[in-house]
Amino acid sequence: ETGVTQTPRHLVMGMTNKKSLKCEQHLGHNAMYWYKQSAKKPLELMFVYSLEERVENNSVPSRFSPECPNSSHLFLHLHTLQPEDSALYLCASSQVSSTDTQYFGPGTRLTVL
Amino acid sequence: GQNIDQPTEMTATEGAIVQINCTYQTSGFNGLFWYQQHAGEAPTFLSYNVLDGLEEKGRFSSFLSRSKGYSYLLLKELQMKDSASYLCAVGPNDYKLSFGAGTTVTVRA
Repeated sequence: ETGVTQTPRHLVMGMTNKKSLKCEQHLGHNAMYWYKQSAKKPLELMFVYSLEERVENNSVPSRFSPECPNSSHLFLHLHTLQPEDSALYLCASSQVSSTDTQYFGPGTRLTVL
Repeated sequence: GQNIDQPTEMTATEGAIVQINCTYQTSGFNGLFWYQQHAGEAPTFLSYNVLDGLEEKGRFSSFLSRSKGYSYLLLKELQMKDSASYLCAVGPNDYKLSFGAGTTVTVRA
């Protein structure tokens, strides 16, 4: 596989469930990102990992928990979510540099019932 | 703070030209990106401008004026497959890209 992949592509969960989103990048990058995309709103940066260390946490509720075991993999663990958390969750990666172009995965469409 | 504005929607005819404007007011600036996002798909990188002027890539061109806090994406010879959302983003600033809400372009036959 090439680029950035995400699984699952679609997820429906209840408010009491625990689930995880997975992201894998095959580009040799050293930074990975989680974004939330809601309808008609700008992408919201949630978490940033650079060289496997978290460098940014944009005041995200604790019901979202990221994990970056190595430079190619990124997880987003979900528990006790709310219906307003329903959105498209996008993963991206980049090579940290002055340009730092981010490349996105296809996203996970999450619905919280 | 970050403030990035772009029109919500635009409609154009197949074969025509459309210009999507983006204005920004940000606390830091390293460059301006344009991404294309088809419904249900990943945003894909289109262009990056760091210096003033026009960058041309086939049917797509991007312009930047840093002094005016202004950019545009020009789509020429529109095709039906160009129907998508176009995202303007400024950065990176401490790893962060600040995005506009996106412009949905609809191409009609």
